[in-house]
Amino acid sequence: AQSVTQPDIHITVSEGASLELRCNYSYGATPYLFWYVQSPGQGLQLLLKYFSGDTLVQGIKGFEAEFKRSQSSFNLRKPSVHWSDAAEYFCAVGEETSYDKVIFGPGTSLSVIP
Amino acid sequence: DAGVTQSPTHLIKTRGQQVTLRCSPISGHKSVSWYQQVLGQGPQFIFQYYEKEERGRGNFPDRFSARQFPNYSSELNVNALLLGDSALYLCASSTGQGRAFFGQGTRLTVV
Repeated sequence: AQSVTQPDIHITVSEGASLELRCNYSYGATPYLFWYVQSPGQGLQLLLKYFSGDTLVQGIKGFEAEFKRSQSSFNLRKPSVHWSDAAEYFCAVGEETSYDKVIFGPGTSLSVIP
Repeated sequence: DAGVTQSPTHLIKTRGQQVTLRCSPISGHKSVSWYQQVLGQGPQFIFQYYEKEERGRGNFPDRFSARQFPNYSSELNVNALLLGDSALYLCASSTGQGRAFFGQGTRLTVV
């Protein structure tokens, strides 16, 4: 069965510092991977996705993620965090190139210190 | 352009009651998916409908049901509500081949 773990429940970083949010997945075949962000009172917004090809994917808002099959990981990174990045971040895995049926991780809450 | 709209935004129900949540997809989108997000957890997949047919079902009891109408809007029904059904219910729509867009959800509280 597919599953996603996000080892860090909560992370606090200073504005301008770099960020890495960890994600590990369990899936037998080729995974299709996503990162979503959820701000308070907002719906989920797609940051980026990996279906195939280049293992380093670029997303919106300056985020990127790297797929490492050997480590079953898909970590999200940003070189310089802005205060507006404070939100809940979810990693997700799908079984096909579909955005419609995905398994979400438990989320990592990001706080940003001004 | 209107995004995915869900109604109502909030509601309170009593244990044992039944509830219907509604979702209107983005114009042109034929796929609707439903997710349950319990406080402090990630969303859990409940159903996907495409062209009015069920395409997928998550690990939820039969108390949960859904349907999709000819205009592609969708309803999620939950019978015999339990306290544990209290959650944010999210709807997402897509063309079936592209990116899914999420609504802002319906906050259900069961007392």
